Amino acid sequence: DVKVTQSSRYLVKRTGEKVFLECVQDMDHENMFWYRQDPGLGLRLIYFSYDVKMKEKGDIPEGYSVSREKKERFSLILESASTNQTSMYLCASSPPTWTNTEAFFGQGTRLTVV
Amino acid sequence: AQSVTQLGSHVSVSEGALVLLRCNYSSSVPPYLFWYVQYPNQGLQLLLKYTSAATLVKGINGFEAEFKKSETSFHLTKPSAHMSDAAEYFCAVSEEAAGNKLTFGGGTRVLVKP
Repeated sequence: DVKVTQSSRYLVKRTGEKVFLECVQDMDHENMFWYRQDPGLGLRLIYFSYDVKMKEKGDIPEGYSVSREKKERFSLILESASTNQTSMYLCASSPPTWTNTEAFFGQGTRLTVV
Repeated sequence: AQSVTQLGSHVSVSEGALVLLRCNYSSSVPPYLFWYVQYPNQGLQLLLKYTSAATLVKGINGFEAEFKKSETSFHLTKPSAHMSDAAEYFCAVSEEAAGNKLTFGGGTRVLVKP
C-alpha cells in the first residue's frame, strides 16, 4: 500500500518558535508538495519540489521554507511561528506526470500556534 | 494561470437523492482534472480523474464526473446518496506546463440527511 506519512497529527507551538513538519513517502516519487488547508479556502500550495535539493515557491510561501535532502523526505519549516499559521498542513507526493496516477496525500498535521 | 471554482460550500441531500457538486475551472491548456474526498480527520483520497481520455469518468463509490470543455466544467454526480458520502469534496486542476502543481477549489461539504 502506498504511503505518505506525516510525523505528527497534532502540534501545539508557541509564537516565535521554529517549527518543523516532516513528511516521508515510500513510493519513490519525484514530486512532493506542502499545502495548507483552511475552511472555505480549500488547499493552497505553499512549496513544492521536483527533485532532491530542488524547491519552488507555491502560492503562499511567506513565512515558510522547505528542505529536501533525500528523495523520500520533504520538510516544511516555519521560521518563527505566528498565530495566523494555525492551520491544517497536508503533504503530498506524485510521479512526474498525471497520465496514469495521481497525487497521494498524508493524513495531515493540525498545527495550533498559541 | 489555472484556477478552480466550486459552487456551494455546503450541500445538503437526502439519503437516496442525487448528489451534484459543481466545479468550473480555468486553464490555458488542456487540463488534468481531479475530484478528491476528505473524511473527517483524514487526508485526501482520489475519487476520480480526467486525463484527456473519455469525457465521462467513473470513479470509486459510485461517483462519476463529466468533462465539458465548452463549459469549462467538471461536475461530480452520484445517483443515490448514502450516509457514508458525508464528507468534504475538492475539485482540482493541474497543467503539466505548470509543473504538475495541483490547484484546488474551496471545497464543498456534503451533509446527508436520513
